[in-house]
Amino acid sequence: EIVVTQSPDTLSLSPGERATLSCRASQSVSRNSLAWYQQIPGQAPRLLIYGASSRATGIPDRFSGSGSGTDFTLTISRLEPEDFAVYYCQPYDTSVSTFGQGTKLEIK
Amino acid sequence: QVQLQESGPGLVRPSQTLSLTCTVSGASIDSSGNSWTWVRQHPGKGLEWIGYISYFGSTDYNPSLKGRVVISVDTSKNQFSLKLASVTAADTAVYYCVATTSRLGELSVDWGQGTLVTVSS
Repeated sequence: EIVVTQSPDTLSLSPGERATLSCRASQSVSRNSLAWYQQIPGQAPRLLIYGASSRATGIPDRFSGSGSGTDFTLTISRLEPEDFAVYYCQPYDTSVSTFGQGTKLEIK
Repeated sequence: QVQLQESGPGLVRPSQTLSLTCTVSGASIDSSGNSWTWVRQHPGKGLEWIGYISYFGSTDYNPSLKGRVVISVDTSKNQFSLKLASVTAADTAVYYCVATTSRLGELSVDWGQGTLVTVSS
């Protein structure tokens, strides 16, 4: 089972700033099958990124993913008010999956 | 886009079996490339992967649930289900059903709205 650790736990930024969120896996993620989700309080999570760097349908291009192997990054180029939420990463192409503990992106 | 709706009791007694059903529309539950997952979220906490079943019936489960969980499909009703045995208060959570579709290298993931299940006597 892959253990996933996200950092930081909380990130305080202002609208318009750039956000960089990290995700580290305990072992190499096969075929870079790593997804990022956004969860707004009271709502179900929404897929942002799959395959480490491919944007899901309808996701704005200010969201981008990068990385390979064990280290992955989600970047939000210019924060909009609606981007303040919790973000999770997940290796998905494994027999047993898991989620990172989440990064809360809050308004500074 | 796949639409998903969870249904089942909102209150379960300790030691009983939690049973939830997810009704799928917009996709066939036995279509190639589809998989069906249950995820839960304890109040104020992160996401916990429970397990999944593939379109051809293969399953995998979270080892931490220690053999208490079974996921199955009913193709005649286009539904999949979760059974979690011997529940305790620690199983109180919002339970989500999730559809994952992989087509031509593209991935789409759709979530149900979630249903809160409380374990209490």
